[in-house]
Amino acid sequence: DVKVTQSSRYLVKRTGEKVFLECVQDMDHENMFWYRQDPGLGLRLIYFSYDVKMKEKGDIPEGYSVSREKKERFSLILESASTNQTSMYLCASRNDRGDNQPQHFGDGTRLSIL
Amino acid sequence: GNSVTQMEGPVTLSEEAFLTINCTYTATGYPSLFWYVQYPGEGLQLLLKATKADDKGSNKGFEATYRKETTSFHLEKGSVQVSDSAVYFCALSGNAGGTSYGKLTFGQGTILTVHP
Repeated sequence: DVKVTQSSRYLVKRTGEKVFLECVQDMDHENMFWYRQDPGLGLRLIYFSYDVKMKEKGDIPEGYSVSREKKERFSLILESASTNQTSMYLCASRNDRGDNQPQHFGDGTRLSIL
Repeated sequence: GNSVTQMEGPVTLSEEAFLTINCTYTATGYPSLFWYVQYPGEGLQLLLKATKADDKGSNKGFEATYRKETTSFHLEKGSVQVSDSAVYFCALSGNAGGTSYGKLTFGQGTILTVHP
């Protein structure tokens, strides 16, 4: 089974802090994704990476950056956290063999910015 | 661009009732369609998928048929259980004429609560 592991289930940070969310997958997947999930809005794509050191903006990249130095690890960075970034963050990965390949998700990190 | 619309929730049913959650989509080309389920406190799990017109995806008693003529992918289950209580997301993947890298467009999610 695919395992996608997010480093924290719950995280509390203060406004202005630099925040790192880590995600590791164990299936040698090429593609990795970061979403945020908010009530009534579903999941919105922040950034994705189609290979090591390659990244593209998603639908809501403002205030975020990402890093993918190794194939198994994809980090989401909040450069200067703000209260409107309080949310559930979900990481996902998939192999790159066609659009019918599903994404596999981690359990999420619930981030609160005070 | 691509979009997915799910029926408004929440949906509340009694155990053994019939379930339908409507999903319609807008996309160019021939997207792949997915249903994901999120149980309380967990991430999303793939429930079922369909990759071409008239395909039927099925899993755990749930079914959905890819209807290109009505651009729909409605989720159904004949007899729900309390353990089916969760949030259900419809999603599509695909980008006509290019590589989408499997990016998903999600509906807003439907909360299902099943009472004993």
